[in-house]
Amino acid sequence: KQEVTQIPAALSVPEGENLVLNCSFTDSAIYNLQWFRQDPGKGLTSLLLIQSSQREQTSGRLNASLDKSSGRSTLYIAASQPGDSATYLCAVREVQGGSEKLVFGKGTKLTVNP
Amino acid sequence: GAVVSQHPSWVICKSGTSVKIECRSLDFQATTMFWYRQFPKQSLMLMATSNEGSKATYEQGVEKDKFLINHASLTLSTLTVTSAHPEDSSFYICSAVRPNYGYTFGSGTRLTVV
Repeated sequence: KQEVTQIPAALSVPEGENLVLNCSFTDSAIYNLQWFRQDPGKGLTSLLLIQSSQREQTSGRLNASLDKSSGRSTLYIAASQPGDSATYLCAVREVQGGSEKLVFGKGTKLTVNP
Repeated sequence: GAVVSQHPSWVICKSGTSVKIECRSLDFQATTMFWYRQFPKQSLMLMATSNEGSKATYEQGVEKDKFLINHASLTLSTLTVTSAHPEDSSFYICSAVRPNYGYTFGSGTRLTVV
């Protein structure tokens, strides 16, 4: 059974700092990995999608890496801003036979202090 | 704008009544949609996979008679919480796989049963 773990559970940093969020998964047979952000009481916003054959993806100040063989991904946020404060969720997509599912970690709650 | 639209965003109902939540894909067709439930400070848990034109696939422990799923068209899936009880109060989120973009989520529905 796939398990996704995110460390740390919470992180508080001053504005402008660079930071890294970690995600690990137990079964490397994934289709892809996605990073999401969730604001309180809201749905999920997709940040980055990394296919299993890729090593990293970048979007603006965000960079996500994937090491499938070791079951790890990181989300790097450069020059953090108060608006980055949210919960960040890592999820792996599994496809087996005719079914698929997205397995989530519990998230990292990020607070960026002005 | 949102590519997966979910309504209502919040609903309060009396115990014993039923509530219907709609999930629509706005600019793409989704033969499969997914329904999740999220308790406070917890991650998303997959409840069921909704398949257009066929029966939904429920995760272990999810009561199919309580959480009725209908996927009548390629752009609409509905989740009906039947005979709701206070313990059904939660945040329900739907998603669909958007080609080349991965999983895309609705904005969620906050259900409160009183």
